Amino acid sequence: SMLTQSPGTLSLSPGEGVTLSCRASQSALSRYVAWYQQKPGQAPRLLIYGASNRATGIPDRFSGSGSGTDFTLTINSLEPEDFAVYYCQQYGRSSITFGQGTRLDIK
Amino acid sequence: QVSLRESGPALVKPTQTLRLTCTFSGFSLTTNGMCVSWIRQPPGKAPEFLARIDWEGDKFYSTSVETRLTISKDTTENQVVLTMTDMDPMDTGTYYCARTPITMVPYAFDIWGQGTKVIVSS
Repeated sequence: SMLTQSPGTLSLSPGEGVTLSCRASQSALSRYVAWYQQKPGQAPRLLIYGASNRATGIPDRFSGSGSGTDFTLTINSLEPEDFAVYYCQQYGRSSITFGQGTRLDIK
Repeated sequence: QVSLRESGPALVKPTQTLRLTCTFSGFSLTTNGMCVSWIRQPPGKAPEFLARIDWEGDKFYSTSVETRLTISKDTTENQVVLTMTDMDPMDTGTYYCARTPITMVPYAFDIWGQGTKVIVSS
């Protein structure tokens, strides 16, 4: 199953809110969908697993939702450290795939 | 504290075999539900899953590179090894190992190593 993220790039200001989209080519059980944040030169960091569960230590301004083929990551009130690339990921029965990423840039 | 660390050659020639080692601490790969995976990331691109081994020794490979990969574990040394044959310049990227504790964080990679950069060039 392929994952398509949109938009590819967003330019926003600190304090704004944002919702990132991840669409699966085949219906996915929500417990198999995760979101990661990656900053330059760093490994991806798990934000959300099971579509809506925050990982340990993740601030509550990050939230995930969705079902079927459409999943979203919402960040309320962007902090300067939130400007990064975000990836969704699906842990399927026969494949594990990542989306192509959404880059959040500071406006 | 859970940590993983990748090690291996920084430069390999085309057609050679790459051998990477993931050395981890803070958890055991004999614990029920524990898995360790290898994931790579070409420069400027998204991560790509390569292989996973679990607490029972079961292995799962990406179909796109399955014929070139072998994953194994040494539970006494707390290591997971990945070998990839017939390396090509397209295999250039950062290689990560990551943990999935299925009973705690199912179906996601909760802790990642820092990654090791591999360049394939003659």
